[in-house]
Amino acid sequence: SQTIHQWPATLVQPVGSPLSLECTVEGTSNPNLYWYRQAAGRGLQLLFYSVGIGQISSEVPQNLSASRPQDRQFILSSKKLLLSDSGFYLCAWRKPGQRRGNTIYFGEGSWLTVV
Amino acid sequence: DQQVKQNSPSLSVQEGRISILNCDYTNSMFDYFLWYKKYPAEGPTFLISISSIKDKNEDGRFTVFLNKSAKHLSLHIVPSQPGDSAVYFCAASKQTGANNLFFGTGTRLTVIP
Repeated sequence: SQTIHQWPATLVQPVGSPLSLECTVEGTSNPNLYWYRQAAGRGLQLLFYSVGIGQISSEVPQNLSASRPQDRQFILSSKKLLLSDSGFYLCAWRKPGQRRGNTIYFGEGSWLTVV
Repeated sequence: DQQVKQNSPSLSVQEGRISILNCDYTNSMFDYFLWYKKYPAEGPTFLISISSIKDKNEDGRFTVFLNKSAKHLSLHIVPSQPGDSAVYFCAASKQTGANNLFFGTGTRLTVIP
């Protein structure tokens, strides 16, 4: 069976410091990978998605970046955090090439507080 | 532009009664719909889905109804239990594309014992 894991679960970072959130998926190959942020009143906002190694698509302009150095690894980064980057970040995966049945499976989430 | 809308941010229901969560969408290209359940500080978990070729899908206490002409779907939970208290997200997808899933803003359900 497939599993997804992201870490750290919580972190508190000062403004201007770097960020690295990591996500890995097990039990599947070449998954589509996603980073979402849960924002109050806006539901689940898609930040980045990737259909393969080194292939990153950004949905919204922001202070963050994403990378996919390996097939089942997805990293969310920032060089200098802003207060507005605080939030709950979710990694997710989906089987590649799906049309109908586009079920996305989420990780446990990471709480980021920028102080 | 919010293509999937959940107009009720919160809902309270007595234990044992029916919970009805509503969702509206604007894009007629959506052909697959999903509901996710989310507890605080956890990732959403997939609950139930429905294809546009159906108007109803049932899984235990959970039933999703789809009204394509009205671009409306609803999730019914019967009977409601305190453990159902969570935020429920509606999502809709188009046929193709890796980024083709759109989420609503969520409805917080509270089931009162």
